Amino acid sequence: DIVMTQSPDSLAVSLGERATINCKSSQSVLNSSNNKNYLAWYRHKPGQPPKLLIYWASTRQSGVPDRFSGSGSGTDFTLTISSLQAEDVAVYSCQQYYSSPFTFGQGTKLEIK
Amino acid sequence: EVQLLESGGGLVQPGGSLRLSCAASGFTFSSYAMSWVRQAPGKGLEWVSGISDSGGGTYYAGSVKGRFTISRDNSENTLFLQMNSLRAEDTAVYYCARGASSSCYSRLDVWGQGTTVTVSS
Repeated sequence: DIVMTQSPDSLAVSLGERATINCKSSQSVLNSSNNKNYLAWYRHKPGQPPKLLIYWASTRQSGVPDRFSGSGSGTDFTLTISSLQAEDVAVYSCQQYYSSPFTFGQGTKLEIK
Repeated sequence: EVQLLESGGGLVQPGGSLRLSCAASGFTFSSYAMSWVRQAPGKGLEWVSGISDSGGGTYYAGSVKGRFTISRDNSENTLFLQMNSLRAEDTAVYYCARGASSSCYSRLDVWGQGTTVTVSS
């Protein structure tokens, strides 16, 4: 199984500041046949279902604000929120869909400083 | 509107069984892979099982393989998860989620609200 490890486990950032969350996979999730990284990011707020933010490591899902961006390739990935808003308080998780089982990271809890 | 509505959760004793359902609407159900994802209390998301659009491909997490069975009825636009030999560690909110393509090798772009399963004596 591919193990997804996120860092940090929790993060406190001031409103308007940048938040950066990292995700590392135990093996590459880059498909060399199509040059796509099979990596997604989700936001999960209490009492709500998870919401897809980013897929193919860097493609924003329709309707997601452009302050959210994803980067990385192979085994190392980053989710960046360029200017933190109050509504961004949530748990953020990465998921690989390269190989079954399609594992998630343990989640990063993002709070306001 | 694209919607997924889970049902079937509840309290069950260890060793018991439960069948979850997920009713889909607002999209062509038979064209999309589907998955079940769970979140245990205080824990992160755990992918549980997935099924391809036709039902010909099924996939499981190691923690549930041999105990859970995923299936779908494309004529009724419904996804199922049959859970047998339930354990305390299966206690979680179970989400139904749509894959973004016919294959399970895809992101999960639509999620239901979840149904709670509690395994306890």
